[in-house]
Amino acid sequence: GQSLEQPSEVTAVEGAIVQINCTYQTSGFYGLSWYQQHDGGAPTFLSYNALDGLEETGRFSSFLSRSDSYGYLLLQELQMKDSASYFCAVLGGYQKVTFGTGTKLQVIP
Amino acid sequence: DTGVSQDPRHKITKRGQNVTFRCDPISEHNRLYWYRQTLGQGPEFLTYFQNEAQLEKSRLLSDRFSAERPKGSFSTLEIQRTEQGDSAMYLCASSLEVNTGELFFGEGSRLTVL
Repeated sequence: GQSLEQPSEVTAVEGAIVQINCTYQTSGFYGLSWYQQHDGGAPTFLSYNALDGLEETGRFSSFLSRSDSYGYLLLQELQMKDSASYFCAVLGGYQKVTFGTGTKLQVIP
Repeated sequence: DTGVSQDPRHKITKRGQNVTFRCDPISEHNRLYWYRQTLGQGPEFLTYFQNEAQLEKSRLLSDRFSAERPKGSFSTLEIQRTEQGDSAMYLCASSLEVNTGELFFGEGSRLTVL
């Protein structure tokens, strides 16, 4: 089976940097994705790591270590609009995508 | 192309009734996923299609749930004899065959079972 663990809640100050960690156990692994979901909205794709290392997209970066079954999402220069839930998701065997339970990020002034 | 669309957006039904949800994926996407999400939880995998073939169905689902994608385009998710525990948001997502790790989600169909 597959399981993903994330912290349930994180609070950070506007303008700061926050890191959201994800550890996973999976029977097959192609890569790790990150999604953002605002209350009442649909999940939207942020990033995907298939190989070890850091991927940067604007204020957001994502890191993967396949040997440690670990990844993180790094959000820089936090803005109030970044308050949302963030999910890591594993692309596994047979292209099944399994999501974590999510991290609720609250950005405070 | 307007993205993934789901219908209906909201459904209220009485316990024991059957409900059906429809998903129209992005036209060139041949992968289609169904998820269920309850408040404060992540999307829970239900089933997945590649073209018209249903490749996997979650063991968490009982036989009351069934999904089809008859021509490899739109898909339907039917829940028979609904229970109050079925109340949730049902999300559909589609993707290309290439492993980009990106799913495109619809706005979801919210089910309330009374």
